[in-house]
Amino acid sequence: NAGVTQTPKFRVLKTGQSMTLLCAQDMNHEYMYWYRQDPGMGLRLIHYSVGEGTTAKGEVPDGYNVSRLKKQNFLLGLESAAPSQTSVYFCASSQDHGQSNYGYTFGSGTRLTVV
Amino acid sequence: AQSVTQLGSHVSVSEGALVLLRCNYSSSVPPYLFWYVQYPNQGLQLLLKYTSAATLVKGINGFEAEFKKSETSFHLTKPSAHMSDAAEYFCAVSMEYGNKLVFGAGTILRVKS
Repeated sequence: NAGVTQTPKFRVLKTGQSMTLLCAQDMNHEYMYWYRQDPGMGLRLIHYSVGEGTTAKGEVPDGYNVSRLKKQNFLLGLESAAPSQTSVYFCASSQDHGQSNYGYTFGSGTRLTVV
Repeated sequence: AQSVTQLGSHVSVSEGALVLLRCNYSSSVPPYLFWYVQYPNQGLQLLLKYTSAATLVKGINGFEAEFKKSETSFHLTKPSAHMSDAAEYFCAVSMEYGNKLVFGAGTILRVKS
């Protein structure tokens, strides 16, 4: 089925380690987003991209980097993980900024624990 | 800056009872409005979206939402709750074309048997 695929689904990191979360979409969407979800805080935008080769900061970008080398992929990197980055991470994509009929399409999430 | 407020972080209803989840936004012009649902350990799914065609919007699973410009609200309702409706619900708004969606903090719906 078409959609947004996130890998890995679960990960445990030690403080200071690095990792990359991969998001892949097969809907030919221009826009892609990375969010983190924490209890009671809803979804907070980390970074987003409005097309291949572009990235922009969201609401909580510190400690994260992103790349969009291919239109279908959006990578989120943690260079030196901290316990405060323990969260569930969601990737989403859209035709525009969500104003089309289908809004955003979300992946199933990556649950990251930093110990 | 655009914002969206969901009143009540937790709502509990009995099976068969009316579901009402509240969402208010801050804007002087009609925005783009959405409701998303998140089931446990899953991503968000689109429930419904407001278009200017009608103020009452019908979504999946029997949910609907009414856009009230005078109250700047877009509350989500369902006449009769089902156990399978237990989930977290997010209201989202984009004030104009070209602006990103802003999500509310979410409301967790609990359905009691």
